[in-house]
Amino acid sequence: AQSVTQLGSRVSVSEGALVLLRCNYSSSVPPYLFWYVQYPNQGLQLLLKYTSAATLVKGINGFEAEFKKSETSFHLTKPSAHMSDAAEYFCAVISPGGYQKVTFGTGTKLQVIP
Amino acid sequence: KAGVTQTPRYLIKTRGQQVTLSCSPISGHRSVSWYQQTPGQGLQFLFEYFSETQRNKGNFPGRFSGRQFSNSRSEMNVSTLELGDSALYLCASSLGQGGEIYGYTFGSGTRLTVV
Repeated sequence: AQSVTQLGSRVSVSEGALVLLRCNYSSSVPPYLFWYVQYPNQGLQLLLKYTSAATLVKGINGFEAEFKKSETSFHLTKPSAHMSDAAEYFCAVISPGGYQKVTFGTGTKLQVIP
Repeated sequence: KAGVTQTPRYLIKTRGQQVTLSCSPISGHRSVSWYQQTPGQGLQFLFEYFSETQRNKGNFPGRFSGRQFSNSRSEMNVSTLELGDSALYLCASSLGQGGEIYGYTFGSGTRLTVV
């Protein structure tokens, strides 16, 4: 079985500060991992994905995430927060093997303070 | 290219009615998945279709059903609506089966309100 835990349902950062959103996964095999962003009244947009290539994954809008197998983590970071980063972020995991369900975390709402 | 299109964007229905939601995937995408998003339960997987066949199903009652057509468009039907069915229903398409390699592209969703 697979699961994903996002620590902190709400995170506040000042504009220009480091963004760190935490995601830990549980999977019996090395999974595929994703980060999505959702703006109000919108669907989810893929930020980045890890599919067993490089452990440091760069995504859109200056975000990146590092896969750490020893810590079963896939935290999302951005060096400098921008007001437009305010949104809800979802970590997702899917076990390889075809036709596996995607499991989403409960989401973290990022507030950027001017 | 056009993204994932969901219609309608907003819908208000009465308890006991049924509703059909539509999803047109990105051209060339053959996999379509449906999710229910609520403040209390978060994102919950409903089902996934690939080449007109249901490949996976979440833990929802039989009132929730879906289908996929030969052009990959998908519909989701909910019968005998309950107040708890009020949610944002999201459709996602993927190039490949299961979406683990390519990820999913989501539509903007259909906001269903049951009164």
